[in-house]
Amino acid sequence: KQEVTQIPAALSVPEGENLVLNCSFTDSAIYNLQWFRQDPGKGLTSLLLIQSSQREQTSGRLNASLDKSSGRSTLYIAASQPGDSATYLCAAISGSARQLTFGSGTQLTVLP
Amino acid sequence: EAQVTQNPRYLITVTGKKLTVTCSQNMNHEYMSWYRQDPGLGLRQIYYSMNVEVTDKGDVPEGYKVSRKEKRNFPLILESPSPNQTSLYFCASGSLDRFNEKLFFGSGTQLSVL
Repeated sequence: KQEVTQIPAALSVPEGENLVLNCSFTDSAIYNLQWFRQDPGKGLTSLLLIQSSQREQTSGRLNASLDKSSGRSTLYIAASQPGDSATYLCAAISGSARQLTFGSGTQLTVLP
Repeated sequence: EAQVTQNPRYLITVTGKKLTVTCSQNMNHEYMSWYRQDPGLGLRQIYYSMNVEVTDKGDVPEGYKVSRKEKRNFPLILESPSPNQTSLYFCASGSLDRFNEKLFFGSGTQLSVL
């Protein structure tokens, strides 16, 4: 059964800093890996999706990488801003039923 | 606007009183799913559906029912709610095209069972 782990559980950084969020998964037979953002009391917003055949995806200040062989993905946020404060979740899609397995998330706080 | 709509946003009920949480998507997605989110346990899948009349259990299906009679709707039914079903619920939908499997989420339903 797929298990997804995110480290750290919480992170606090000053504005302008570059940062990396980590995600690891136990079953490398994934279709893709998706990063989400969740604001308090709100739903999840998809940030980036990396296909299993890809190594990375970029959107603005965000860059996500995928290393299937080691079971790891990272989300890199450049020049962080207070508006980036949120919980970031990664999720792996795997299995014949395309089951989505979420990590517990990293709660990010960017201090002005 | 492409969206997943859940209703209600907040719901307080009592043990044993049947309730339904509705979910509707306007993107013609084949795939729809329900999750619950609990502190320390993250998001866990309750049920999912790959198409009309096709539903299957996720990781935590006990105490829940779903139906998929139309492509756009995927209601979650709690026949006899219990306090351990107090949680934040999310509906999601997505295309089954392998190269475009982004999931779109509703805004959530905060359920309290007294």
